[in-house]
Amino acid sequence: DIQMTQSPSTLSASVGDRVTITCRASQSISSWLAWYQQKPGKAPKLLIYKASSLESGVPSRFSGSGSGTEFTLTISSLQPDDFATYYCQQYNSSPFTFGPGTKVDIK
Amino acid sequence: EVQLVESGGGLVQPGGSLRLSCAASGFTFSSYWMHWVRQAPGKGLVWVSRINSDGSSTSYADSVKGRFTISRDNAKNTLYLQMNSLRAEDTAVYYCARAFAAYDSSGCVDYWGQGTLVTVSS
Repeated sequence: DIQMTQSPSTLSASVGDRVTITCRASQSISSWLAWYQQKPGKAPKLLIYKASSLESGVPSRFSGSGSGTEFTLTISSLQPDDFATYYCQQYNSSPFTFGPGTKVDIK
Repeated sequence: EVQLVESGGGLVQPGGSLRLSCAASGFTFSSYWMHWVRQAPGKGLVWVSRINSDGSSTSYADSVKGRFTISRDNAKNTLYLQMNSLRAEDTAVYYCARAFAAYDSSGCVDYWGQGTLVTVSS
């Protein structure tokens, strides 16, 4: 199985900050990576697919990059609605493993 | 509007069984692979199972293989997860989710249900 790691596990930031989350895969997954946002008590929401493609309706302050084994999610200017937990997921091969999550909270 | 509504969760004793349902609407259900993903309380997301658009192909996480069965009824626009031999570690919110595109077999999902809580405890 492909293992996914994320760093940091928690990130404290202020509104307006540029935020970057890193996700690493234990083996190459090409660009088969998605990013999801989850708020407490809610279902996850797809933000980015195929490593860098923005899902319809997602604000352009979110962007993704990377390929192979290293990926990043960047929020260019953090907004109040962005405080949440972010998960990466590889979908190169089954089982489709998720990273452990990065919680973005208010500094 | 795409909607996925799970039901069937609840409290069950270790070793017991439960069947989850996911009612789909707002899209052509029979064209999409579907998935179950779970989340233990306070923990991260774990992919559980997927099924192809006509129900002829399935796959499972090792942790549930042989105990859980995914199925679908395209006439009723409903996805199921039959869970047998339940263990305490199966306690989680179970989400059904739709594959990102019609006939897409990958694990990328775009729409999620609200989840249903399964608690395995004596």
